[in-house]
Amino acid sequence: GNSVTQMEGPVTLSEEAFLTINCTYTATGYPSLFWYVQYPGEGLQLLLKATKADDKGSNKGFEATYRKETTSFHLEKGSVQVSDSAVYFCALGWRNSGGSNYKLTFGKGTLLTVNP
Amino acid sequence: DAGITQSPRYKITETGRQVTLMCHQTWSHSYMFWYRQDLGHGLRLIYYSAAADITDKGEVPDGYVVSRSKTENFPLTLESATRSQTSVYFCASSERATPLHFGNGTRLTVT
Repeated sequence: GNSVTQMEGPVTLSEEAFLTINCTYTATGYPSLFWYVQYPGEGLQLLLKATKADDKGSNKGFEATYRKETTSFHLEKGSVQVSDSAVYFCALGWRNSGGSNYKLTFGKGTLLTVNP
Repeated sequence: DAGITQSPRYKITETGRQVTLMCHQTWSHSYMFWYRQDLGHGLRLIYYSAAADITDKGEVPDGYVVSRSKTENFPLTLESATRSQTSVYFCASSERATPLHFGNGTRLTVT
């Protein structure tokens, strides 16, 4: 079945450090890929998305490229800030075989803490 | 304002009690979802609904009941709460092929 495997956390970085959070997927067909962010005490928010191979999603300095050859969608940011401290979820969006239902499968989340 | 509203924000109940978590969205999205979030498990889908009066099971439906008589509401009922249902519950909505919009969650504790 379709699944997402996400880098285990927690990840602790100093401000201005480079961030990579790995995400790989298993899927049939042509899924869409997403990164969500959850700040403390809040619900998830969409951070970025990519809907086909070689697409690059970007937002707030974060980027991720949909790599079909390596089945990956790694999240990167060149210089993290304290305000980026949150839990990050990779997710796979896909339709069932009949095309009638669209579903989202999440990774387990990676806690990022950025220290000043 | 448009969005998803979940209520209550926090709930403590006793084992065996029935409890209902409410979810209301203002976008008129067709799809609505209930997830639970537990440490080490990430988000797991409980139930979803593709339209009013259409619901379907997700990964972990046992012990939960849903209904969708109106497009904008999707309540989740725990018919007889158990300690294993202590969790944070998130409601979400979407249109086809668009990402989900999430509420701020309900933290449920079953004692």
